[in-house]
Amino acid sequence: SQTIHQWPATLVQPVGSPLSLECTVEGTSNPNLYWYRQAAGRGLQLLFYSIGIDQISSEVPQNLSASRPQDRQFILSSKKLLLSDSGFYLCAWSVQSYTEAFFGQGTRLTVV
Amino acid sequence: TQLLEQSPQFLSIQEGENLTVYCNSSSVFSSLQWYRQEPGEGPVLLVTVVTGGEVKKLKRLTFQFGDARKDSSLHITAAQPGDTGLYLCAGKNGSSNTGKLIFGQGTTLQVKP
Repeated sequence: SQTIHQWPATLVQPVGSPLSLECTVEGTSNPNLYWYRQAAGRGLQLLFYSIGIDQISSEVPQNLSASRPQDRQFILSSKKLLLSDSGFYLCAWSVQSYTEAFFGQGTRLTVV
Repeated sequence: TQLLEQSPQFLSIQEGENLTVYCNSSSVFSSLQWYRQEPGEGPVLLVTVVTGGEVKKLKRLTFQFGDARKDSSLHITAAQPGDTGLYLCAGKNGSSNTGKLIFGQGTTLQVKP
């Protein structure tokens, strides 16, 4: 069966520090991968999606970047965090061209 | 830009009551999904509807896709405290083959015992 792992679960970082969130998927190959951000009790904003290694699309201009160094690994990064980067970040995967998305447990990022 | 609007945004009811959550758009979607999310966790898929007019039931939950595939509803019968959570609808653009989903703003449901 397929599983998705996202870490860390919580993170407190000072303003100006770098960021690296990792997400890996097991049990499938060539998945679509996504990074979403969610404000408290609200819907999900798509940040990045990837249909293959080194194929990343950015949905919104921001202080963040994403990379996909391996087929089932997706990384969300920042060189210098801003206060406004605080939020709940979710990684997700889907089978190519299929509809359902499967989410990781999320990372609560607090920038102080 | 496609938008999905959910209503109501917040709902607080007593155990045993019925409720309906709506998800509306001016755009046509090839499919629409409903997710449920608990605090501090990722959303979990409840159902996918694909055909206009389709109705799916999951125990006390009934999901309907509008005939024109622009809207959907989630009806819960005899709500229980375990139904408490954030309900999200998400639609897939029929022209997209990336599986990119557009999410609604969510409906926070609180069921009081």
